[in-house]
Amino acid sequence: NAGVMQNPRHLVRRRGQEARLRCSPMKGHSHVYWYRQLPEEGLKFMVYLQKENIIDESGMPKERFSAEFPKEGPSILRIQQVVRGDSAAYFCASSPPGWADEKLFFGSGTQLSVL
Amino acid sequence: SQQGEEDPQALSIQEGENATMNCSYKTSINNLQWYRQNSGRGLVHLILIRSNEREKHSGRLRVTLDTSKKSSSLLITASRAADTASYFCATSIQGAQKLVFGQGTRLTINP
Repeated sequence: NAGVMQNPRHLVRRRGQEARLRCSPMKGHSHVYWYRQLPEEGLKFMVYLQKENIIDESGMPKERFSAEFPKEGPSILRIQQVVRGDSAAYFCASSPPGWADEKLFFGSGTQLSVL
Repeated sequence: SQQGEEDPQALSIQEGENATMNCSYKTSINNLQWYRQNSGRGLVHLILIRSNEREKHSGRLRVTLDTSKKSSSLLITASRAADTASYFCATSIQGAQKLVFGQGTRLTINP
């Protein structure tokens, strides 16, 4: 019973390139959350999605960042024209349908390094 | 600003001792959760305490919640080297379907 799967584990991009981070939630989970973590800091909420819907994107930067969770396939966090400040660990978490403030299940994260 | 503020930021103790970490928050919550993060890994859920609960136990973990002071504490008893990790509190805020995390406490258990 696989957990939350994120890939790639490490991603290196040069400034100006695009970064695509993938997240496959746990089987049976239809809610996906993306968080960003800078070194020695806590996790900052970015976006909450359900299948084909963005529910809360209050933590997403207004430009260059987008997220989707299509009917089929993984959730994608896309960062266009990356800058050095985008370097961070990006974590995805999932929860089952009808979530009533229960725990989240986290993936191992994608470490993005922008050169 | 962060919903959760943790204290201390770092804690180093000897194996076998108890470790206590504190978390304060600002707004009304549905529940408060504690997670552990080993270096370079994702977060693992430890324990959840609801707003109408005051204390909860799970193995060597004991969590308290004081909603009047908007604070919680996590106690790890009889610490082991394997408990070395960062510990985060996370609050489920009323009216928002997301968890808001604190800055974390880095716990080091010395053998």
